[in-house]
Amino acid sequence: KAGVTQTPRYLIKTRGQQVTLSCSPISGHRSVSWYQQTPGQGLQFLFEYFSETQRNKGNFPGRFSGRQFSNSRSEMNVSTLELGDSALYLCASSSVTGGRYNEQFFGPGTRLTVL
Amino acid sequence: AQSVTQLGSHVSVSEGALVLLRCNYSSSVPPYLFWYVQYPNQGLQLLLKYTTGATLVKGINGFEAEFKKSETSFHLTKPSAHMSDAAEYFCAVSDRGGAQKLVFGQGTRLTINP
Repeated sequence: KAGVTQTPRYLIKTRGQQVTLSCSPISGHRSVSWYQQTPGQGLQFLFEYFSETQRNKGNFPGRFSGRQFSNSRSEMNVSTLELGDSALYLCASSSVTGGRYNEQFFGPGTRLTVL
Repeated sequence: AQSVTQLGSHVSVSEGALVLLRCNYSSSVPPYLFWYVQYPNQGLQLLLKYTTGATLVKGINGFEAEFKKSETSFHLTKPSAHMSDAAEYFCAVSDRGGAQKLVFGQGTRLTINP
């Protein structure tokens, strides 16, 4: 079974631009979560989607948004980029069994650099 | 609110020596606990998890961890370090109601000396 895939792997943008990152979960996984990883703040939860609905949200400004499609693929968008948005963005997917979430499997991440 | 503290941002051991990475958590509800490993320029790989049942959990690559509720700890161990174990290790916690919001520790970078 193919793992979680994220595109693109690397991205360079300038301040003020917007960016969209894509995540394809493992086949059959309906939950997708996004995390931001920076040297200073570590790994921080952004949001989680299940069946096209945002179920959980972390403490990030409204410039960070996401969505999930009917095939469980997810995108996250960051508008009006700031230098501090430079980070590794990780996507993770998980299955749900009997109403209980199973462990998350992570993709390789998208490295975003904001100049 | 849940939190995770990993004691030691850098740990260095000799090849063949015991690996011990420390993790303490804070949670107002019974937690799910995880250890993930991250190699350079890669995502996170699950090493092991504790949800319910046996408190000693065995994972991949010879790692294991023991859930100690009284000490709020979930330390990661491996009897004999290999050079390939050099990586960054993250302890994470989530609550049992919705295991999708992982709260991570700051990570421990493990170096293996030949």
